[in-house]
Amino acid sequence: GEDVEQSLFLSVREGDSSVINCTYTDSSSTYLYWYKQEPGAGLQLLTYIFSNMDMKQDQRLTVLLNKKDKHLSLRIADTQTGDSAIYFCAERRIDTGGFKTIFGAGTRLFVKA
Amino acid sequence: DVKVTQSSRYLVKRTGEKVFLECVQDMDHENMFWYRQDPGLGLRLIYFSYDVKMKEKGDIPEGYSVSREKKERFSLILESASTNQTSMYLCASSASLAGELFFGEGSRLTVL
Repeated sequence: GEDVEQSLFLSVREGDSSVINCTYTDSSSTYLYWYKQEPGAGLQLLTYIFSNMDMKQDQRLTVLLNKKDKHLSLRIADTQTGDSAIYFCAERRIDTGGFKTIFGAGTRLFVKA
Repeated sequence: DVKVTQSSRYLVKRTGEKVFLECVQDMDHENMFWYRQDPGLGLRLIYFSYDVKMKEKGDIPEGYSVSREKKERFSLILESASTNQTSMYLCASSASLAGELFFGEGSRLTVL
């Protein structure tokens, strides 16, 4: 995608924490999202953070935003085999004609039992 | 729950054939989108529509067209399919252009 970058693969052991990182380049971003895609399925919104926040926690998920460095991360505590999926970082930015959502290439999380 | 349904999960077509990918949403959303998903490239926006009969080009509209005759239905058309259009196609809808995107399960198209 346009300047939303994330690593393509992450492998962790069951019970460990997973940290998926993402960088973006547009300072006009309003919302930043994490979507999850399970095998054979479409994308589902996992969580999001507004650009004026620096942290959001939702049960096992923690989103950290460093706006200065344009760095977003998703931490999954106590990772389970059911968390194996592709995780997409996305930013919503202002564009001519309205808003535009730019997706990263996706990070495939593999959880080893 | 919002449901976005893509009529074909898997299609195999020959080069030069016309291909229709259909998408229906049941939540009265104004906005609908077509993306293609390719390994290592993430999702790229092909076209979107913010109202019936309205359409806007996304980032990679070449080789594609769309149709939105009814609010709930957004069709992606490949007038003459080519092998480089082999991909996973994802339809999405949202209540507003800035709102959460709800995705269908995807249509995997192979062009031989």
